[in-house]
Amino acid sequence: AQKVTQAQTEISVVEKEDVTLDCVYETRDTTYYLFWYKQPPSGELVFLIRRNSFDEQNEISGRYSWNFQKSTSSFNFTITASQVVDSAVYFCALSHGSSNTGKLIFGQGTTLQVKP
Amino acid sequence: NAGVTQTPKFRVLKTGQSMTLLCAQDMNHEYMYWYRQDPGMGLRLIHYSVGEGTTAKGEVPDGYNVSRLKKQNFLLGLESAAPSQTSVYFCASTYTVTGTGGRSNQPQHFGDGTRLSIL
Repeated sequence: AQKVTQAQTEISVVEKEDVTLDCVYETRDTTYYLFWYKQPPSGELVFLIRRNSFDEQNEISGRYSWNFQKSTSSFNFTITASQVVDSAVYFCALSHGSSNTGKLIFGQGTTLQVKP
Repeated sequence: NAGVTQTPKFRVLKTGQSMTLLCAQDMNHEYMYWYRQDPGMGLRLIHYSVGEGTTAKGEVPDGYNVSRLKKQNFLLGLESAAPSQTSVYFCASTYTVTGTGGRSNQPQHFGDGTRLSIL
């Protein structure tokens, strides 16, 4: 089965708190790609990061960081010192390298509300 | 550089009516997709295309048809709209890069969405 699970439906934090969004995936492929997208209240989908299955290095981009662990099939996303502008729906997605179609399997999404 | 453009942005239909959603991309991408977004369900793939003249079914294809007559355009049709098709529809496009490790899936670029209500 190929599946992406974002168990946290909604998270509410106060500005400047750190917050971690969980993503757990299932796949039989050895080559795959994981993505995070942000959907702000305006509705568009904004690409944040792509990680391939051979690269387990964690990545940091400003206040954003990602922790990829193949052992637990997880690709978690942490926002440090959250800001009101981080309020959005965040999607984790999986793409299989073997299919050569680039199709994405999305998680259900996590709605993050950052209160001032 | 427009990226991925969806037309229209909003539409209200009556049950049984038909319509076509247009997606156009100016990035020369081979692959194009149509997704629908419903509350609590993330985005689900309706149909996709890996090149001009080719289409394939995704996870939720029933009630929809697609065509890719030109590389830059991907059309989604509803022949007889039903209330269950009320949703936000997103088009996306992407490409792959071939390197020493084989093909590498690149991020998809999304349009701004079409909000469709069927009464």
